[in-house]
Formats: sequence, structure tokens, C-alpha cells
Amino acid sequence: AQTVTQSQPEMSVQEAETVTLSCTYDTSESDYYLFWYKQPPSRQMILVIRQEAYKQQNATENRFSVNFQKAAKSFSLKISDSQLGDAAMYFCAYAEYGNKLVFGAGTILRVKS
Amino acid sequence: EAGVTQSPTHLIKTRGQQATLRCSPISGHTSVYWYQQALGLGLQFLLWYDEGEERNRGNFPPRFSGRQFPNYSSELNVNALELEDSALYLCASSLDGDHGYTFGSGTRLTVV
Repeated sequence: AQTVTQSQPEMSVQEAETVTLSCTYDTSESDYYLFWYKQPPSRQMILVIRQEAYKQQNATENRFSVNFQKAAKSFSLKISDSQLGDAAMYFCAYAEYGNKLVFGAGTILRVKS
Repeated sequence: EAGVTQSPTHLIKTRGQQATLRCSPISGHTSVYWYQQALGLGLQFLLWYDEGEERNRGNFPPRFSGRQFPNYSSELNVNALELEDSALYLCASSLDGDHGYTFGSGTRLTVV
């Protein structure tokens, strides 16, 4: 079964600094999708960024970018110029085409002013 | 476009009772996924419905069940409620995996 591991239960970053959240996954498939979701205190799950495994180019969305290493099965999220509104729980997730999402345990990100 | 809507927002039930949670997907989305998020825990996959059929279920007892209606909305039923069923229940919909999965705001179920 596919598994997703987030080894950092909690991370802190100073406002305006850069932080990287780690994620590794295990799969025998070659085609799949990877996601980072943000869950603020409101509990609403918000899609931050997604990556198709067949694309070698790392996905970027404004201040958010990923470092996708397919061979190493690693998918880290970099947040640049951190803002107070970035404080949330971040979940890494994996999905095969048209299948369910499998989530990691999450990383709490705290942003210090 | 309207997002994924879940109702009710909060639900308080007594142990042993039944709970029914509802989810309306984004218009055009045919797949609905249910997740349980207990306090302090990650998201555990419950059920996946697509085109009216149950496609997959997670490692939950049979008292967790559901269905998907012809308009693709979905219902999650939890029978014989136990205290540990207290959690946030999230619903997500997708057209296909390529477009990502959009989540609703969840139903907070409290079993007393």
C-alpha cells in the first residue's frame, strides 16, 4: 500500500524567511500525483500545489514551490517570504490517477513575527 | 462556481445513535471521497464513490456506510455511534485526479 511520511511534526519560521517542509512517499507506480494541502485553524483544506509525476519540472505557485525527486520518492515544499497567514497544518498527499488521496500525518507550521 | 458543501456543520449525538452527514460536490464532479480527521490525527480515508458506485473503502467497520445519489451528492451514515467516532468528517470531490481534489468545510461530529 502507498504510504506518505512527513517526518517533521512541527516547524517554525521567521516572517519573511524561507522554510522547507519534507515529505517522502512509497509507491511502486510510475504515474501518480502529489499534493500539498494547507489546513488553517478554520479546518478548511486548501490545495497549495500539485505535481504530476511524469513532469520533471518542479511545480511553483507564487511563493510556494516543490522539490520533486522521483527516484528518491521525495516531495518537499518550500515557502518563500513566509507570511503570518501561512501558519497552518500542512499535509502532503499522494494519489494515483482517479484514486483516493493518501495523506501524511501533517506538519504544523508556526510563523513568528 | 459553488464549492463542495457539507451539512450539517456541527452534529451532536448520543452514543448508540445514528448520524447522517451530507455532501454536495462541485457541479460536474462525479467522485466523492469521505475522510475522518480525529483530534490531533491526520486524515483517514473512509469511502470513495464514483458514478453512484462504492469504489473503495478504508479500514473502518461496516457501521460506517454511505451512498451516492444520481446527482452525485453523497451521504455518510455512521450507525451505533461510539465516543471515538467524534471527529471532523471531510468530504472531497473531483472530476478526475488530474484536477485535484476540492474539500468541503467538514462536519464536526461529537458523540456524547
